Amino acid sequence: EAEVAQSPRYKITEKSQAVAFWCDPISGHATLYWYRQILGQGPELLVQFQDESVVDDSQLPKDRFSAERLKGVDSTLKIQPAELGDSAMYLCASSLGGISYNEQFFGPGTRLTVL
Amino acid sequence: GQNIDQPTEMTATEGAIVQINCTYQTSGFNGLFWYQQHAGEAPTFLSYNVLDGLEEKGRFSSFLSRSKGYSYLLLKELQMKDSASYLCAVRDEDRHGQNFVFGPGTRLSVLP
Repeated sequence: EAEVAQSPRYKITEKSQAVAFWCDPISGHATLYWYRQILGQGPELLVQFQDESVVDDSQLPKDRFSAERLKGVDSTLKIQPAELGDSAMYLCASSLGGISYNEQFFGPGTRLTVL
Repeated sequence: GQNIDQPTEMTATEGAIVQINCTYQTSGFNGLFWYQQHAGEAPTFLSYNVLDGLEEKGRFSSFLSRSKGYSYLLLKELQMKDSASYLCAVRDEDRHGQNFVFGPGTRLSVLP
């Protein structure tokens, strides 16, 4: 069964360091989402791609976060410099896209701890 | 803007029925999803409603009333493995296109 892949699964870093997360969506899924989920809360959308284009990055802290999906397939989310408050689970999801029913499929997530 | 509310925690007994409510306010409603999330794991899809009424899928059912901005997830014949967080998510359509907004989640504990 096709799955969304993410790496690394766990990342521990010190504040002010740079970190990067990778996501490979299900083949053929045009829409890719990056979410941040703080323990005990629901996922918060950071950025949404349609193919290689950013559709919505209104909640992305652009002074330190960046995301790209250069070829419209896999994607990278970067944080530089990391801050203590960035400790969270970073989830990637993909969907077929379009205006009809489209379920999101989530990857296993990257658990980030900033010390 | 969007606003989604769910109870923070619920407790129920194995074999019982539990109803988890979700209320929402969006400007461009285009569907409501329920996800299950076990601790430390990614959310997994449970159900989807876009029209008013009840959708049944095995032990799980989901109901939607668009006029009231209200949905519930009904879990029957509860099992210990149903202990998890249940996330209500609304697909909203705005000038950016479509996006998903998640509620805070309801943590359900099933007791023996």
